[in-house]
Amino acid sequence: GAGVSQSPSNKVTEKGKDVELRCDPISGHTALYWYRQSLGQGLEFLIYFQGNSAPDKSGLPSDRFSAERTGGSVSTLTIQRTQQEDSAVYLCASSRGDRNEKLFFGSGTQLSVL
Amino acid sequence: AQSVTQLGSHVSVSEGALVLLRCNYSSSVPPYLFWYVQYPNQGLQLLLKYTSAATLVKGINGFEAEFKKSETSFHLTKPSAHMSDAAEYFCAVSEQGGSEKLVFGKGTKLTVNP
Repeated sequence: GAGVSQSPSNKVTEKGKDVELRCDPISGHTALYWYRQSLGQGLEFLIYFQGNSAPDKSGLPSDRFSAERTGGSVSTLTIQRTQQEDSAVYLCASSRGDRNEKLFFGSGTQLSVL
Repeated sequence: AQSVTQLGSHVSVSEGALVLLRCNYSSSVPPYLFWYVQYPNQGLQLLLKYTSAATLVKGINGFEAEFKKSETSFHLTKPSAHMSDAAEYFCAVSEQGGSEKLVFGKGTKLTVNP
């Protein structure tokens, strides 16, 4: 597609369940980022991929969070045993790879943990 | 590690007035600096970026920002606000030669009054 695609757009889950969030970056973009956006907290960096490797996963809040990227394209962010504090908008972005390149953002997944 | 501080979570101006959104950064190496904008119910998009060429950077929709190394600032300005400028604005920094990740500030919500 022409832009970064994220699915689902909305996810409601019960506390303790696992969730998977998907990101389809722009074709040919080697860099892929996951951010979390909470009200009043701005964008919190979670993890960065260059190709299929994750050189920086320093932002993952706990070991309940993991992410992978396959084929240098699609990425999945998995949250295990969800907690209410995980409720947020999860944003994915991609770029052509250099650190001065602009990021193209998806519309996000609104996660609500009840 | 790099960081960004945006002074003022909310800024309100009258239509036609000067817009000034403040951003200060911290970086141990020369930075790349960005302003992104998020219009209501839309994804984030790049407004402008500084990549060590000209210190005064012009962006879309009449916005500009000036990199001041001595003040570690990258404030965003627009001479005359328009109703359509109402949005949330995020300043971000990445490090030349450092970590690939792009670190965002907490955002400033701009309201434009008629």
